[in-house]
Amino acid sequence: DAGITQSPRHKVTETGTPVTLRCHQTENHRYMYWYRQDPGHGLRLIHYSYGVKDTDKGEVSDGYSVSRSKTEDFLLTLESATSSQTSVYFCATGGTRLQETQYFGPGTRLLVL
Amino acid sequence: GQSLEQPSEVTAVEGAIVQINCTYQTSGFYGLSWYQQHDGGAPTFLSYNGLDGLEETGRFSSFLSRSDSYGYLLLQELQMKDSASYFCAVRDGRSGNTPLVFGKGTRLSVIA
Repeated sequence: DAGITQSPRHKVTETGTPVTLRCHQTENHRYMYWYRQDPGHGLRLIHYSYGVKDTDKGEVSDGYSVSRSKTEDFLLTLESATSSQTSVYFCATGGTRLQETQYFGPGTRLLVL
Repeated sequence: GQSLEQPSEVTAVEGAIVQINCTYQTSGFYGLSWYQQHDGGAPTFLSYNGLDGLEETGRFSSFLSRSDSYGYLLLQELQMKDSASYFCAVRDGRSGNTPLVFGKGTRLSVIA
């Protein structure tokens, strides 16, 4: 398995506060992704990156921003957290352009009160 | 755009065979993938079909029919540990340089 860590693993925050989630990988994979998972919705893509400083929006990007200043780190920021952003957030990585395998991190459980 | 349809829940008996279907609509097609996720865990890759036909990996097989935009995951000799959610996924067909899009998942319950 790819070495992917996420921090924090659990977080409780209040509405209106900014939150940053970190994904760190040790596999030198070019592609990194942020998904959120909610009951009844499966995995939905928030943002992804295809290289350092190269990012693009996914299906549910509103209220989120990302940054990738190094190959190994991909940050997800909730600019002003809302209760609708309570979710489990998964980071994933992939190696080559057509590689169908994505490797997932352990997830971050976020509760916005 | 793309969409994937799969049943939300399936229940099967230990030792039996179960098939989880997936139909998809994409603007292009780069293959169908399957992922498994146990409760509280992260999704893990199971199989990939880029061409029509059956791919077998131990007790798990996956099938693809591109003409029917249809695939399935077949689990044989079911074990209690196979209780999990299973997701089919396709890559956005605008180009190969795009992320996977996942179905909403099928929750498999294996009963004794």
